[in-house]
Amino acid sequence: AQSVAQPEDQVNVAEGNPLTVKCTYSVSGNPYLFWYVQYPNRGLQFLLKYITGDNLVKGSYGFEAEFNKSQTSFHLKKPSALVSDSALYFCAVRDIMDSSYKLIFGSGTRLLVRP
Amino acid sequence: NAGVTQTPKFRVLKTGQSMTLLCAQDMNHEYMYWYRQDPGMGLRLIHYSVGEGTTAKGEVPDGYNVSRLKKQNFLLGLESAAPSQTSVYFCASSYVAPQETQYFGPGTRLLVL
Repeated sequence: AQSVAQPEDQVNVAEGNPLTVKCTYSVSGNPYLFWYVQYPNRGLQFLLKYITGDNLVKGSYGFEAEFNKSQTSFHLKKPSALVSDSALYFCAVRDIMDSSYKLIFGSGTRLLVRP
Repeated sequence: NAGVTQTPKFRVLKTGQSMTLLCAQDMNHEYMYWYRQDPGMGLRLIHYSVGEGTTAKGEVPDGYNVSRLKKQNFLLGLESAAPSQTSVYFCASSYVAPQETQYFGPGTRLLVL
């Protein structure tokens, strides 16, 4: 069965410091991996995805994520956090063999960037 | 280009009442999805559709029905609402390929008393 784990309910960082939001996954086949961000009372916005190729994926707003197949991880990173990055972040996985193309989401990690 | 829209934005129901949530997309996407979001549980798939006239069950389908009569619309129905269905409901759509991104609507907040 497919699953995603986001082990931290909340991550606190100071503005200007690097941030990491962790994600590990489990699929039976090869994964496609996604990160979404949700601001208060808004829908989910796509940040980036890993499909194939370079393990380091760059996305919107200066975010990047590194795919690590041996550790089954896809951690989200940013070199210098902004207060405006404070939001709820979701990691999601899709098994490329699943014809429904459905996404399995983690429980979310709240990022709080303090000034 | 509005993307994915959802109506209504917010609704309060009494137990046993029925209602329909409407999702519309203008991106000519084949696939459409309904999720519910509950605190600490991420998003869970209720039903999905791989094309006009087709629907399938997701992870948590009980108590919900769906219809996809037109390609651009995907309706989620609650025949007899229960307090356990209090949640935020999100619709999403995507093109037909596993690498394609799902695009989400703004959500419908439903409170069942």
